[in-house]
Amino acid sequence: AQSVTQLGSHVSVSEGALVLLRCNYSSSVPPYLFWYVQYPNQGLQLLLKYTSAATLVKGINGFEAEFKKSETSFHLTKPSAHMSDAAEYFCAVSLTGGGNKLTFGTGTQLKVEL
Amino acid sequence: EPEVTQTPSHQVTQMGQEVILRCVPISNHLYFYWYRQILGQKVEFLVSFYNNEISEKSEIFDDQFSVERPDGSNFTLKIRSTKLEDSAMYFCASRASRGSPDGYTFGSGTRLTVV
Repeated sequence: AQSVTQLGSHVSVSEGALVLLRCNYSSSVPPYLFWYVQYPNQGLQLLLKYTSAATLVKGINGFEAEFKKSETSFHLTKPSAHMSDAAEYFCAVSLTGGGNKLTFGTGTQLKVEL
Repeated sequence: EPEVTQTPSHQVTQMGQEVILRCVPISNHLYFYWYRQILGQKVEFLVSFYNNEISEKSEIFDDQFSVERPDGSNFTLKIRSTKLEDSAMYFCASRASRGSPDGYTFGSGTRLTVV
């Protein structure tokens, strides 16, 4: 079984500030990890994914995430927030074998202030 | 870029009625999924489908739900007798292969409102 915990349901940053969204996972086998973004009234857009290659993963819109096995973490960062980054962010895990369904975290709403 | 298409984008139905949500996955993908998101809550897995049969389903996916790939392109989710608590955004997703590092491609969702 796998699960994801996202710490902080709401995060607020100033424009230009560092964005850090936290995700910890639990998995019985080596996982695939994903970050998705959801803008209001829209679907889920893939930001980036970890699939057992490089532990530092770069995604779209300047986001990146680092897979840390020792900490079972996959935190999402962006050096400088932009107003357009305001959205809900979901961390998700899937097993590399077995069912392959995605298990999502509860989401973090990112607010960017002037 | 290939995309997953869902229709309709919004559907309002009366409690007890049957609804069919439609999805056209990416053409060369082999694995298909339905997820739902109740307003303000997280995205939940409903069912996965491969080789014309269900490969996994969640506790949510009870006898009121069914899926079908009738013509090799469409992938449908049917709810036989809708309940108020079925009101949610329903997302279809497809994936090229089971261990595909390309991950899932999601549609933009169908917002189902049961009144």
